[in-house]
Amino acid sequence: KAGVTQTPRYLIKTRGQQVTLSCSPISGHRSVSWYQQTPGQGLQFLFEYFSETQRNKGNFPGRFSGRQFSNSRSEMNVSTLELGDSALYLCASSPGSNTEAFFGQGTRLTVV
Amino acid sequence: QKEVEQNSGPLSVPEGAIASLNCTYSDRGSQSFFWYRQYSGKSPELIMFIYSNGDKEDGRFTAQLNKASQYVSLLIRDSQPSDSATYLCAVSADNFNKFYFGSGTKLNVKP
Repeated sequence: KAGVTQTPRYLIKTRGQQVTLSCSPISGHRSVSWYQQTPGQGLQFLFEYFSETQRNKGNFPGRFSGRQFSNSRSEMNVSTLELGDSALYLCASSPGSNTEAFFGQGTRLTVV
Repeated sequence: QKEVEQNSGPLSVPEGAIASLNCTYSDRGSQSFFWYRQYSGKSPELIMFIYSNGDKEDGRFTAQLNKASQYVSLLIRDSQPSDSATYLCAVSADNFNKFYFGSGTKLNVKP
C-alpha cells in the first residue's frame, strides 16, 4: 500500500513569491492535515480537510490556504512568502476522524 | 491554549536498557494520544496510539495513559542504537484530526 506522497521535496523561493505544495494521501483516506515544523516552534497545525471541506484551521495568517479535491489529494498555498515561512511542511493522512495520522516525507521550503 | 509538554532531553540510555519517555497535556478533554518517532531530517513515523487509560503493548513498545493525572508515557524495552531519535507526543482533543504536538524528547541509545 503506497504511503503519503508529497511533492516537491525541496523548494527554494524568493520573498514575496507564492508557492503551492501537493499531497496525495494513502488510498482510501479521506482526511488530510497540514503541519509546519520549525526548530523553534516545533510541529504546528495548519488546517485539516475531510471530503473536500476544511474542518479545522490553526493559528496562521490568511496567506496560508489549502484545498482538497474529490480524489482526496490536497494542495497547500502560501502567498507573499516571508523569510519566516522557511520550514518543513508536512502532510498527514488519516482514515477517519480522531484517528492515527500518517505523515508524508515533507516539503522543505526555503525562502531567501 | 492546549499544551503538550515533554522533556527535551537528551535522554541517554545504554543498549538493552528500558527507555522511559513522558508527556503531560493540559486539556482534560483530550481523547486520543499518539507517539511518533522522528529521525533527523526525516518525517515523523507513528509508533503507537492509545485511547483508554492503562497500558498498550506492541512489541518492545508500551504506551501508558493516565487521564486523571493527564500524562502519557512510552516505554521502550531492550533499547537499540537504532531507537536513537526524537520522540514526539501528540494529543487530539476533538473529533477532527487536529493534533497538538510536544516539542519532542531526544533519545540516545549508547552501544
